[in-house]
Amino acid sequence: DAGVTQSPTHLIKTRGQQVTLRCSPKSGHDTVSWYQQALGQGPQFIFQYYEEEERQRGNFPDRFSGHQFPNYSSELNVNALLLGDSALYLCASSLKVGPGNTIYFGEGSWLTVV
Amino acid sequence: GENVEQHPSTLSVQEGDSAVIKCTYSDSASNYFPWYKQELGKRPQLIIDIRSNVGEKKDQRIAVTLNKTAKHFSLHITETQPEDSAVYFCAARPFGSTDKLIFGTGTRLQVFP
Repeated sequence: DAGVTQSPTHLIKTRGQQVTLRCSPKSGHDTVSWYQQALGQGPQFIFQYYEEEERQRGNFPDRFSGHQFPNYSSELNVNALLLGDSALYLCASSLKVGPGNTIYFGEGSWLTVV
Repeated sequence: GENVEQHPSTLSVQEGDSAVIKCTYSDSASNYFPWYKQELGKRPQLIIDIRSNVGEKKDQRIAVTLNKTAKHFSLHITETQPEDSAVYFCAARPFGSTDKLIFGTGTRLQVFP
């Protein structure tokens, strides 16, 4: 049973560039969310995707956008990168309909903006 | 707004002792409270969770208690071992949300042999 998988694991970008991060949910899950975890802090909710639509959004600017594909996988895009976007980006998946809604995290993508 | 406070920020215990981490949440409609353990450079891993209709839950050396009236919940680890050393995060899920979790600021637990 595959867990939540993310790619790439590490990447370095320059200020002003754009980045795309990818996530495949745990087998059987249909809902994907993205979190940003800055060093020494707890994860912060960015947004959630279900049925290929953004359903909830945290307090992040429009530079952060996403997409969910018919196979439930998802992408996180960040435009016009700032130094402050350097963080661990975590993808989480769950099953929207059903008992529990337990949320599982992937290993994350470490983004460094220089 | 939604907020979760977590204390202490660091906790050092001797192997075999107990450790307790406490969290307070602001949204009284929150209905799900997971605890995650995060080792250095790794993903947060769910260790235990509790739902709003339950007051206590145990899983071997780990237990979580929930006081809905006071809006606080706690993680209890008994017979601590060096491999319990990690950062622990509490979280609360607002009512009506599926995957949105509000995380605490984390507790760095060190267990000394």
